Order: sequence, then structure tokens, then C-alpha cells
Amino acid sequence: AQSVTQLDSHVSVSEGTPVLLRCNYSSSYSPSLFWYVQHPNKGLQLLLKYTSAATLVKGINGFEAEFKKSETSFHLTKPSAHMSDAAEYFCVAPNTGRRALTFGSGTRLQVQP
Amino acid sequence: EPEVTQTPSHQVTQMGQEVILRCVPISNHLYFYWYRQILGQKVEFLVSFYNNEISEKSEIFDDQFSVERPDGSNFTLKIRSTKLEDSAMYFCASSVTNLNTGELFFGEGSRLTVL
Repeated sequence: AQSVTQLDSHVSVSEGTPVLLRCNYSSSYSPSLFWYVQHPNKGLQLLLKYTSAATLVKGINGFEAEFKKSETSFHLTKPSAHMSDAAEYFCVAPNTGRRALTFGSGTRLQVQP
Repeated sequence: EPEVTQTPSHQVTQMGQEVILRCVPISNHLYFYWYRQILGQKVEFLVSFYNNEISEKSEIFDDQFSVERPDGSNFTLKIRSTKLEDSAMYFCASSVTNLNTGELFFGEGSRLTVL
């Protein structure tokens, strides 16, 4: 079964500095992978997705993620954090049957002024 | 922009009562889902629904839960006899295709509090 592990439960950065949110996956085959974001009192929104095309995936709001098979990683990055980026971020993968999503435990991003 | 809408946004109920959470998926979507998030825990899959039947369900989705698409627009989750541990945020989602290429569009959630 495919699973994802988010390595940090909380990340705090200063506004204008880079963001790195880490995710490792385990899969016996080439996976699909997603990053979702949840702002306070809001639903979950897709940031970006990897589906075996380009290994560097660009998403909304300046975020991108790189699929690295050798490291089984799919880390989320942004060159310069903005206050509005403060939210919970989830690394997500389809389950074995590809009929449901398996969520990582989430990383709460704080952006300090 | 089309969106998934959920009602109510918050419901408080007594243990043992029946609860129905309602969702209006995006109109041209074919796959429908319910997820839940207990406070401080992971988002968990409950059930997926396609072509008017359940296509997959998790072990959480026991006989106390049921889903229905009573008309062409609504998708409901019923909990027959609520327990304290059912307190959670429940998210409805829909997608055009299956998860190989598609993305899920989530509603803003219905917070259920069981007293």
C-alpha cells in the first residue's frame, strides 16, 4: 500500500524567506502525489499534483514540488514566504485501489512578520 | 468558480441522535467522497461513491453510516446513532475522474459535535 510521511508537524519561517515542507512516500510503483492546503476554517485546496510527467511540478501561489525517486521524496518549496501562506499543508497519495486519498499527518506552517 | 457546498457548517447533537450532513458536489462531477478529520488527527477517508453506489469504504464506515444521492444534486452522509467519537469535521469532495489523473474538490466541511 502507498503511504506518505510528513517529517515536520510544525514549520516556522520569517516572511520573505524560503519554505521547505518535507514529505516522503513509500510505494512499490510510480505514484501519483499531491499537496493540499487547508487555511483556517476553510476546506482543502489542491496546491499541485505529480502524475508521472515532469518531476518538477509547479502549483498555485508560487509553490512547487520535486519528485525524487532516488530519495522517495516529494518536498514542497516556495522561494519567499508570504503571511497568507500560513496554513496546514498535507502530502497526499491515492491508496492502492486508487479510489481514495491517503493523507499525511500534516505540517502547520507559521509565517512570522 | 464552481465549488462543493456543505450544510450545516456546524451541528451540535446529543449522543444517540441521527445526523444528516448534506453536500452539493460540483455539477459535472461523477465521483463523490466523504472524509473526516477528528481534531488534531489526520484527514481520514470514509467512503467513495460512483454511479449511484459505494465504490469503496474504509473500516471507519460501519453500519452506523450511510450515504445517499437522493436527487441529481445532493449527496448526503447519515450517521444513525451518533457516538462521542463521531465528533469531527466532515469533508465532502467530488471529482470529474478517478484519482489517477483527477483532483478532488473539497467543501469547507461540516463540524459535528456530539455531546
